[in-house]
Order: sequence, then C-alpha cells, then structure tokens
Amino acid sequence: DAKTTQPPSMDCAEGRAANLPCNHSTISGNEYVYWYRQIHSQGPQYIIHGLKNNETNEMASLIITEDRKSSTLILPHATLRDTAVYYCIVRVAGLNSGYALNFGKGTSLLVTP
Amino acid sequence: AAGVIQSPRHLIKEKRETATLKCYPIPRHDTVYWYQQGPGQDPQFLISFYEKMQSDKGSIPDRFSAQQFSDYHSELNMSSLELGDSALYFCASSFGVTNSPLHFGNGTRLTVT
Repeated sequence: DAKTTQPPSMDCAEGRAANLPCNHSTISGNEYVYWYRQIHSQGPQYIIHGLKNNETNEMASLIITEDRKSSTLILPHATLRDTAVYYCIVRVAGLNSGYALNFGKGTSLLVTP
Repeated sequence: AAGVIQSPRHLIKEKRETATLKCYPIPRHDTVYWYQQGPGQDPQFLISFYEKMQSDKGSIPDRFSAQQFSDYHSELNMSSLELGDSALYFCASSFGVTNSPLHFGNGTRLTVT
C-alpha cells in the first residue's frame, strides 16, 4: 500500500472548518483513500473514503487532487467532540475483501473553544 | 444500528497464561480484522478473515492464532502471554466488497501482569 504523510498536529477553533491534509504521492490507480479518526482509546471511527472524485457525507468532505497525490479532509464546522487523531490511509482494493487497513501516524486535531 | 461487539471489554492475565478474545461482526458482514494498539501507539494490523478463510496477515506473533466461525464471529487466541502483549485489541468487520469500509468495535483491553 502507498504510504501517507500527515502533519503530526493541528489546532482548529470551534465552529470553524478543519482542513486536514494528507500526502500520498505514490498512490496506485486501484488504491482508495480512507479517513478514520480515533477518540482517546475508543475504536477507530470510519469517516469517509474515495477513489478519485470528491466525496461528501454527513460527517465530512473529502477533496482528492486531480493527480490523486494528495487529499484534504474537511470538517465543515468543528466541535469540541471532533478532537481526535485523524488517520489518512491508502488501501488497495482487491478482488476479495480482507485486505488490511494499515494505520500510520495520523494528525492529532485539537478543537479549542 | 448494530455495531461490532467485542468481549470481554477488560481482561487481566498473568505472564505465560492464555487468553481468548471474541468478536461479533455487524450482521451480514463476512470479513473480520484484528488489530493491536499498544500504549501511545497506532493500531497495528494482525490478521483478517474473509468467508472463514485467512485473507491477510500482518505482524501477528506465532503465539497468537485466530479463526472465523460459520456464524462469522471470530476469536483471537493468545498463548504464553508476555508483558508486552498488554494492549487494546480491536476487531473490525466489513462487507465483502472490494472497497467496503471497516467498522471497528470498542476493543478489549488486555493487561498482562
């Protein structure tokens, strides 16, 4: 799987948009970009994923550059409960399920009042 | 909505003992994954099963084994426990299509004394 690079930490004011960048310059054509977050000692929570088109759901938006070498997760109106470690993960899509999701270092996002 | 159920939530064992962790996937999910997260570490993939067959393998010690049963639940068996096995163990499940996201349980905290 392609490696990802994320800033180790970021701050965001409550109510503002949080934009979390991720670099995945070695991504292959059949690899998806996934975003998860982990609130202290809880199980990682799925946020969103995409292949090449921008995606939006009730939690966040995912913007993938045209060359697919980087992406940005956008939390439109951050709240204190969004304080967590955010992981950007690239995962190959195989013919069968069960391919691992490999967590890297992630970005520790602190939302402040 | 139903989530991934893990049991027990907490487990305390002594060195050289054995432990069995259980995971009940989301209904209709046919793939399970096991992860280990040590203190201050990121989740590390151990092993996964798709339709009761091992699908992918990560950094699982030889002292550990796992299987998936006919009802799709999975068990992680850990023998000759060491102090370094103290960690959070997460199970995740997904539906068997290529880009189906993983959904995680809240983990089992294993303490080896």
